[in-house]
Amino acid sequence: GDSVTQMEGPVTLSEEAFLTINCTYTATGYPSLFWYVQYPGEGLQLLLKATKADDKGSNKGFEATYRKETTSFHLEKGSVQVSDSAVYFCALSDDTGRRALTFGSGTRLQVQP
Amino acid sequence: DGGITQSPKYLFRKEGQNVTLSCEQNLNHDAMYWYRQDPGQGLRLIYYSQIVNDFQKGDIAEGYSVSREKKESFPLTVTSAQKNPTAFYLCASSMNGQNYGYTFGSGTRLTVV
Repeated sequence: GDSVTQMEGPVTLSEEAFLTINCTYTATGYPSLFWYVQYPGEGLQLLLKATKADDKGSNKGFEATYRKETTSFHLEKGSVQVSDSAVYFCALSDDTGRRALTFGSGTRLQVQP
Repeated sequence: DGGITQSPKYLFRKEGQNVTLSCEQNLNHDAMYWYRQDPGQGLRLIYYSQIVNDFQKGDIAEGYSVSREKKESFPLTVTSAQKNPTAFYLCASSMNGQNYGYTFGSGTRLTVV
C-alpha cells in the first residue's frame, strides 16, 4: 500500500537558518504530493502541492520539488522565522483506488529567536 | 466565507457512551473525510465519502460509524465499541479528484473520563 516517510523531529533551528524536512514515498501509479502545516490546537492547512514529476510547489517562501527518480518531496525554506514553528506533514494522493490522502507522521519544527 | 466547521471543539465521553462529532462544510465539496490524530503521530483515515449516501471504511473504522445524508454534512459517531477513543479528530473536504488538496476543520478533541 501507499506510505509516506518523514524525518523525525523535532527540528530545532535559529531564526534565518535554512530548513530542509525530508519526505519520501511509496505509491502505485502516479501520485500527487502535498505539504500541510499544523499550528497548535488547529487543523491542517495546505502549504503547497505538486501533481507531476519535476513540478515545484511553492508558497510563503517554502518550496518542494517532486522527484520521481528518488520518490522524494523534500520541503525547503531559505530563511525560517519564529512564526514558522509548527508541525509539517507530507502527504500523497494516489491516482488509483480510494484517492484519500495518506499522511506521514509529521515533523515538528521549532524556530528559536 | 466558505469553510468547514467542526463542533464541539472539546468533548468528554463517559465509558460505554456513544458520542457524535459534527462536521459541516459550505464549500460545495463532493468528498468528505474523517481522520484521527494521536499525540506525536500522523493522521489515520477512519471513513470517507465521495458522494452523498455513500461512504467507505478507512484504515481504522472499527468502533466508528458515519452517515452522509446531505452533501454539506458528514457526522462521525464514536461508539462504545471503540476501545481507545481519546484523540484529536479532524474532518476534511475536497473536490473529487487526485490533484485537489483538502480543506480541514479545526478539529474536535475527545477525552474519555
